[in-house]
Order: sequence, then C-alpha cells, then structure tokens
Amino acid sequence: EAGVAQSPRYKIIEKRQSVAFWCNPISGHATLYWYQQILGQGPKLLIQFQNNGVVDDSQLPKDRFSAERLKGVDSTLKIQPAKLEDSAVYLCASSSQGGPNIQYFGAGTRLSVL
Amino acid sequence: AQSVTQLGSHVSVSEGALVLLRCNYSSSVPPYLFWYVQYPNQGLQLLLKYTSAATLVKGINGFEAEFKKSETSFHLTKPSAHMSDAAEYFCAVGISGNTPLVFGKGTRLSVIA
Repeated sequence: EAGVAQSPRYKIIEKRQSVAFWCNPISGHATLYWYQQILGQGPKLLIQFQNNGVVDDSQLPKDRFSAERLKGVDSTLKIQPAKLEDSAVYLCASSSQGGPNIQYFGAGTRLSVL
Repeated sequence: AQSVTQLGSHVSVSEGALVLLRCNYSSSVPPYLFWYVQYPNQGLQLLLKYTSAATLVKGINGFEAEFKKSETSFHLTKPSAHMSDAAEYFCAVGISGNTPLVFGKGTRLSVIA
C-alpha cells in the first residue's frame, strides 16, 4: 500500500512570508497528525484530526498556524506569517481507527525561514 | 500525561558491537511504547512496538526491546551493529486509541568501521 505522501520536501522562505504544506495519508486512515520536529529534538504534535474534525490543536500556535482536512482525506498546514523559529521539519502521520495506535509517517517537509 | 527520556543524545559503537539505546518513560495509564528510526532527510520508520503482549519485542533489522514495568524502561538493543544502522532513533509513548505519541529527544547512533 502507498505510504503517507507529503509535499513539498523542502521550502525556503523569508520571515513574514506564508507557506503551505500538503499531506495525503494512507488510504482508509481516519486519523491524521501534524508534528513539528525542530533540529535536535523529537517530533511534537501540532494538530490531530479524526476524519475531518479537529481532536487536539492545543499546541498549535493559532495566531500564525492553521490546518484543515477537507473531506477527511488530504490535509494542508499553513503558516502565516512565518517566523525564524518556525524553521523545522513538518511531519505528517496517519493511523487507522482503534488498535495499538501505530502511526505511519511521511518523509516530511523541511522548512527554512531566513 | 506521558513523557519519555532518552539517555544519551549520541551513542557511538564499533561495527559488530552491541547496540544499547536507553529509554525511560512515564505514563499514568498502561502505555504503548514504540521505537522509530529516522535516516537523514527521511521520515520516521517504525522499528518495533510494545502493546501489552509479550514484554520482549522483536522488530525489523535485528533490533529488539524489552518492556520492564518495574524500571519504566524500554531499552533498544541489537547484538551486532552494522554500518547501515547509523541513524537517529526515537522512543515514543502512547496510550490506547489514537492519541498523539510523545517522543523523546532522540539518540544519534554512529557506527565506526
């Protein structure tokens, strides 16, 4: 089966610009996660969707970050305006309903904010 | 709430030597535990998982981990390191259902020829 697809793989922008990342989860996976991985750290959850509803966005900086998952499949994460500290890898993961919560990760988008 | 502590941000071993990467967790409910590996410029790949069945878990590429409740540990081992094992390794804790995983800071494994 196809894995989690993310695009773009790399993005370089200047501070105060906007950027968007796209994720297509594994087919049939109801739960989708966006994680932020800053260099030298483990991934940290930004937002979790169950189908097209938000389950947890408590750690999402809502003044600049937004995310949506239309029709319960693809998802887009947006940053506007970007700050230097947003430089990180943004990972998308998906998991199926129930079970032992095995999350499958995409290759990530590496964002550099200059 | 859950948390993970990985002891040692960088571990270096000789090729053919034992690999031991340490992970301690904290969880208020019975946890699920995972080890993921991340190669440069790639996403996270699941190595193995503990989901309340056997305490000794075998994963891919010859890795295994043992869940020790009394020590709140889930250390990752491999009897003989290979050059291709050089990567970043992350321990993560979760609970039942589709709750987000909580990751440790990672341990970078270097393998010396």
